[in-house]
Formats: sequence, structure tokens, C-alpha cells
Amino acid sequence: NAGVMQNPRHLVRRRGQEARLRCSPMKGHSHVYWYRQLPEEGLKFMVYLQKENIIDESGMPKERFSAEFPKEGPSILRIQQVVRGDSAAYFCASSPPAGELFFGEGSRLTVL
Amino acid sequence: RKEVEQDPGPFNVPEGATVAFNCTYSNSASQSFFWYRQDCRKEPKLLMSVYSSGNEDGRFTAQLNRASQYISLLIRDSKLSDSATYLCVVRVSGGYQKVTFGIGTKLQVIP
Repeated sequence: NAGVMQNPRHLVRRRGQEARLRCSPMKGHSHVYWYRQLPEEGLKFMVYLQKENIIDESGMPKERFSAEFPKEGPSILRIQQVVRGDSAAYFCASSPPAGELFFGEGSRLTVL
Repeated sequence: RKEVEQDPGPFNVPEGATVAFNCTYSNSASQSFFWYRQDCRKEPKLLMSVYSSGNEDGRFTAQLNRASQYISLLIRDSKLSDSATYLCVVRVSGGYQKVTFGIGTKLQVIP
């Protein structure tokens, strides 16, 4: 039973480019969470999604960031026109309703 | 007041010591509680759930005090491999059952 799968594990982008991070939840999990973590800092909640619905995006920056979890396929976190400050580890987690969260290994974005 | 508060530490303890972390939460509708462990540059991993009656898993004991709205984690006989950041996690009841992570408490076990 595969765990939460994130790809790419490492992504390098130049300022102004787009970054797309993908997350496939564990089998049977319908809830997906995205977190951002800067070096030496804690996890910062970004967005919580269920299939085809954004439930809570209170942690998402108002501009350039978007997330989706389509009926088919992985959840996508999209960052447009990346800036150096977007460099971070982005973790995805999935859970069943009311259950524990299981995390993927993260996607590390470096913006040059 | 933050929804979930933890002392970020670091806690530096010698091998074999007993160390305890506390975590306070502000939402009385909190329903489920967990401790996660995060190693440097790795993803958080579930350490243990916290049950109302308290629970133990080997050297680790978790307790919940609903009246005072805090949970605790006790680590006995600390090992070097216990060095990590320990995250307190709270899920509230009702609505969409929001999950909130504390900032984490850093533990360094020294030889």
C-alpha cells in the first residue's frame, strides 16, 4: 500500500517561471493538505482540499498560488511567477475523514 | 493566542534522561490529539495518538488534560535517535474538523 507520493522531489526554477507540485494521496484517503516549511521554521498550513473542493485556503497567499484536487488524478499546488521567497519544502498530507494525517516526503523548490 | 502552543526549545538532555513536553490548545472543541516527530529535512511522521485515558508506547507516554487544555509527551531513557522536533497536532470537532500543528519542540539528546 503506497504512501503519499509527491513529485517532483526537487524542483529548480528561475524567477518568473511556474512551479507545479503534485501529490497523490494514500489509497482510500479523500482529504489532502498542503504545508510549506522554510529552513529552521515550523510547518505553515496552506490549503485543505477534498475531491473537487477547496475546504480551507486560509493559508494560501492571495496571489500567484493555487491548488486543486480534481476528481481524477493528483492534487496540484501551482505557483506562478515564482520569487526567491517561494524557495521552501512543500509537504502534502492525506487523511481519511477525522483520521491521522500521513505525509509525503515533500517537494523542495529552489528559486534561482 | 495561538491555537496550539509549544515551547520551541531546544531541549538538550543527556542520554538516558527523561524529558517531557507540553502543548496547550485554545479551542475547547478540540477532539483528536496527536504527536508527530520530524527529523531534519524530512517529513513529519505520526508518533502516537493521544487518548483521553493516556497511552503508552514503549518509552513514550502521552497524556491529555481536557480541563486544562493541554497534552503532554514523556520520553523515558532518551536515546540519541530520539533527537528530532516533536509536533503537537490538534483536530477540532464540527465543521470540517480543522487540523492545527504546533510549531514543534526541538529535542537534542547528547551523549
